[in-house]
Amino acid sequence: DVKVTQSSRYLVKRTGEKVFLECVQDMDHENMFWYRQDPGLGLRLIYFSYDVKMKEKGDIPEGYSVSREKKERFSLILESASTNQTSMYLCASSSGTGDSPLHFGNGTRLTVT
Amino acid sequence: GDSVTQMEGPVTLSEEAFLTINCTYTATGYPSLFWYVQYPGEGLQLLLKATKADDKGSNKGFEATYRKETTSFHLEKGSVQVSDSAVYFCALFDSGAGSYQLTFGKGTKLSVIP
Repeated sequence: DVKVTQSSRYLVKRTGEKVFLECVQDMDHENMFWYRQDPGLGLRLIYFSYDVKMKEKGDIPEGYSVSREKKERFSLILESASTNQTSMYLCASSSGTGDSPLHFGNGTRLTVT
Repeated sequence: GDSVTQMEGPVTLSEEAFLTINCTYTATGYPSLFWYVQYPGEGLQLLLKATKADDKGSNKGFEATYRKETTSFHLEKGSVQVSDSAVYFCALFDSGAGSYQLTFGKGTKLSVIP
């Protein structure tokens, strides 16, 4: 069974801090994704990566960056956290083409105060 | 661009009731269609999928039929259980759009009461 692990379940940070959200998958998947989930807005794609050291902007990349140095790990970075980045962050991975199923982690609930 | 519209929730049903969650889509190509489910405190997981017109996806008693003529992929279950309480997301992948990403609907929260 595919396992996608997000390093923190809950995180509280202060405005202006640099924040790292880590995600690891154990199935050798090529593709990895970061989404944020907000009530009434559903899932919005922040960034995705289809190979090591490759990254593509999603729908809402502003204020975020990502890093993929190894195939199994995809990090989301908030360069200077702001209160409007308080949200649930979901990492996902998939193999091959875009209609392969996404496998999600359990999410990190980030609160920026 | 591609989009997915699903019925707004929340939806509250009694146990053993019939469930329908409507989903319609717009796409430039011939998309694959999905339903994902998110149980409380968890990430999303694939519930079912259909890759071409008239295909029926099914899993755990849930069904959805890919209707190209009405651009719909409605989710149905004949008799819901309390354990079906979750948020349900309709999604599409359009290979013609040249992207790796899925397009998700906004989700429909289902609560089933005993």
